[in-house]
Amino acid sequence: QQQVKQSPQSLIVQKGGISIINCAYENTAFDYFPWYQQFPGKGPALLIAIRPDVSEKKEGRFTISFNKSAKQFSLHIMDSQPGDSATYFCAASTGGYQKVTFGIGTKLQVIP
Amino acid sequence: DAGVIQSPRHEVTEMGQEVTLRCKPISGHDYLFWYRQTMMRGLELLIYFNNNVPIDDSGMPEDRFSAKMPNASFSTLKIQPSEPRDSAVYFCASSPIVEVHEQYFGPGTRLTVT
Repeated sequence: QQQVKQSPQSLIVQKGGISIINCAYENTAFDYFPWYQQFPGKGPALLIAIRPDVSEKKEGRFTISFNKSAKQFSLHIMDSQPGDSATYFCAASTGGYQKVTFGIGTKLQVIP
Repeated sequence: DAGVIQSPRHEVTEMGQEVTLRCKPISGHDYLFWYRQTMMRGLELLIYFNNNVPIDDSGMPEDRFSAKMPNASFSTLKIQPSEPRDSAVYFCASSPIVEVHEQYFGPGTRLTVT
């Protein structure tokens, strides 16, 4: 059973555009929502994370939007660059518990 | 710090053979995780350790898989006997703090079982 549903699985965006990746979860006990970025041949790396007590978190060109009532969260990449081309994973976990559940991943390609 | 170190980076083996994957976590990290990544299932947690003790192995697919952490700086994931469906990229990750959930991943081992 996939506890964190992620879409789309692939995304092509033109340079300078906005990339949007969406995730939804079932378990209301989740209270930490990280996003990981993975380049080919590398392991995933933590990009940005949010807790449900805020509706938005921004770090540079990356923004997480969180809708607790809808149990949805999304990653927006503003002014997308070819260097952003990677696979992005949303994830969720419960407080004080190290087990992280990952989404299926979204392969983003930013074309010039 | 060198980050999480995994070896080998690539492993090709024949069905039925034993495979051992190795991981050295970041020094000082209390938690160590083994993941498997495939196109169909994405990233799956296999097992994790806290202070060298296995905490949750519910993700280990079957008895052919075993993992050990004999000390704070070394862990192994063993598959015996290996099968073609075990072909995947296996990641090791480590984490220093319980609450932060910040996991540092190694570069992975790409396993191919023919």
